Amino acid sequence: NAGVTQTPKFRVLKTGQSMTLLCAQDMNHEYMYWYRQDPGMGLRLIHYSVGEGTTAKGEVPDGYNVSRLKKQNFLLGLESAAPSQTSVYFCASSYYGLPPKNIQYFGAGTRLSVL
Amino acid sequence: AQKVTQAQTEISVVEKEDVTLDCVYETRDTTYYLFWYKQPPSGELVFLIRRNSFDEQNEISGRYSWNFQKSTSSFNFTITASQVVDSAVYFCALSPSGGYNKLIFGAGTRLAVHP
Repeated sequence: NAGVTQTPKFRVLKTGQSMTLLCAQDMNHEYMYWYRQDPGMGLRLIHYSVGEGTTAKGEVPDGYNVSRLKKQNFLLGLESAAPSQTSVYFCASSYYGLPPKNIQYFGAGTRLSVL
Repeated sequence: AQKVTQAQTEISVVEKEDVTLDCVYETRDTTYYLFWYKQPPSGELVFLIRRNSFDEQNEISGRYSWNFQKSTSSFNFTITASQVVDSAVYFCALSPSGGYNKLIFGAGTRLAVHP
């Protein structure tokens, strides 16, 4: 019962470094999402994907890029990390379609610190 | 505008007390979905319930109950006879109709249940 798996779980970067966060889901979901969670602000959508090879911007996309080359994987990239990107990042996935398919299932999160 | 407000930032109760977490939402859509997620100290988000805008029946699941009132745009969550294991951050979220199962989160309410 893997569900949604995020790697790594923790990471510390220096300003200007780059990194990629990996999200993998084994539920054959069409939709995948990347969120960031900051204190007092809930979760905000960074980018999402409605299928293999497609991506779209969410609420806070600046400074991030994504790719979905395979249906089960969704990668989030930071090209030049900034302290403002210190956050907890969550990946989620869901089916395409009406209920009960519209539930998003979340990974355990990646805690990123940018010094 | 579409928005979710959880006015209670933190709530502290003693075990066995009942506690209600408030959620107020804004949307102009006639079809939408409301969700509650739980984030325990381990960090992952766990789906609790989904309710669609046409179903105003209250729902009970064990010690958990939800009260949906369209007239006041509220979807409140009550825990009866709280337990230490209920300590977590609880998020209310709104999913407008159509699109990619978009979720708009409230800022969350941190519940601490003390022995």
